[in-house]
Amino acid sequence: SQQGEEDPQALSIQEGENATMNCSYKTSINNLQWYRQNSGRGLVHLILIRSNEREKHSGRLRVTLDTSKKSSSLLITASRAADTASYFCATDARSGGGNKLTFGTGTQLKVEL
Amino acid sequence: SQTIHQWPATLVQPVGSPLSLECTVEGTSNPNLYWYRQAAGRGLQLLFYSVGIGQISSEVPQNLSASRPQDRQFILSSKKLLLSDSGFYLCAWSVGGSTDTQYFGPGTRLTVL
Repeated sequence: SQQGEEDPQALSIQEGENATMNCSYKTSINNLQWYRQNSGRGLVHLILIRSNEREKHSGRLRVTLDTSKKSSSLLITASRAADTASYFCATDARSGGGNKLTFGTGTQLKVEL
Repeated sequence: SQTIHQWPATLVQPVGSPLSLECTVEGTSNPNLYWYRQAAGRGLQLLFYSVGIGQISSEVPQNLSASRPQDRQFILSSKKLLLSDSGFYLCAWSVGGSTDTQYFGPGTRLTVL
């Protein structure tokens, strides 16, 4: 079954607004990561939050993790046109996961001028 | 610093033809290596991963295969391409023994006609 699923699937905002994306997963995890993908390019790692952490910041990014609800959110503050991209969450698995991550289907963010 | 290379960047192949995509990593030793496929507007599907030379784990049964002839070289192959093999193929690496950050290559856009 799909481990990570993001919502919304697509999000359109104005420059300067905040963007919030959510991710839900099904099994226990060691960590959850967020990646960004510009159109036609490879993914770029943004931030990793471990299962014993509840919140983490990196620049304009804020990630929260609620292991009781098996969910995470990514907040981008003061968005810019350059933030336009697809954003994916990825989870590992506590058991049987080997050395691999499972990626969600992504949120397509469009930031308009 | 570590870098990851993929080639070719784009490829158009007829149905039934063979395929060979190559991925190499520089600046690290004994990495975990991964092949993903991404359909248009979709998330990433893990195809193969490798934790060492000659060690390949297959995630999805299909007509693709992978090999790791050298520590930092990962090859994706097919003897006969299908229309459904079209997609964006991404190679990634991570530190051996870890499920932390994965670093992605620029990808190969494969179109099977």
